[in-house]
Amino acid sequence: GAGVSQTPSNKVTEKGKYVELRCDPISGHTALYWYRQSLGQGPEFLIYFQGTGAADDSGLPNDRFFAVRPEGSVSTLKIQRTERGDSAVYLCASSLGVADGYTFGSGTRLTVV
Amino acid sequence: GQNIDQPTEMTATEGAIVQINCTYQTSGFNGLFWYQQHAGEAPTFLSYNVLDGLEEKGRFSSFLSRSKGYSYLLLKELQMKDSASYLCAVGSDYKLSFGAGTTVTVRA
Repeated sequence: GAGVSQTPSNKVTEKGKYVELRCDPISGHTALYWYRQSLGQGPEFLIYFQGTGAADDSGLPNDRFFAVRPEGSVSTLKIQRTERGDSAVYLCASSLGVADGYTFGSGTRLTVV
Repeated sequence: GQNIDQPTEMTATEGAIVQINCTYQTSGFNGLFWYQQHAGEAPTFLSYNVLDGLEEKGRFSSFLSRSKGYSYLLLKELQMKDSASYLCAVGSDYKLSFGAGTTVTVRA
């Protein structure tokens, strides 16, 4: 596609529920990133995919968070047993390489109540 | 790890110039990026410096000194639409690490 697409744009869920956030990157971009941004802060790295594999998942806060990219294109970030502290904007970005910078999607605003 | 510092807020008048400083300490480096982020929107790419010196792109310029771990973003001829958060980011290996952002408010 022309840009990075993220769905849903907003998600409100109850504490303890499971959520999935979807990212459709720019066609041909092999690198895909998930970041999380809280109010007044910069984006915080969660996970990086190169192709289908998670090359670096060191930013995932705990084992409730998991992400997949089974065919090397669309990625899904999965959060189990959501907590109120998970509330944030989850940003997806894709890139041809770091020197090319990232193109970000519009993000999913997750609110856990 | 990365340690990236930039001022929290800056205010300037329409038509003026503002300089946003960024200092960083990094375990690896392959470029310094600046992004603009309007409230409620995604960050958008502004500039990239990998070598020391000044890169100019229209009203925006970015400077890098790798030996000092220092960069700045210069915004000239400020317009009201430039009111936004400006994020400094350091590239290392394959990922970017971001500062907390500088909120710039442009007054009429």
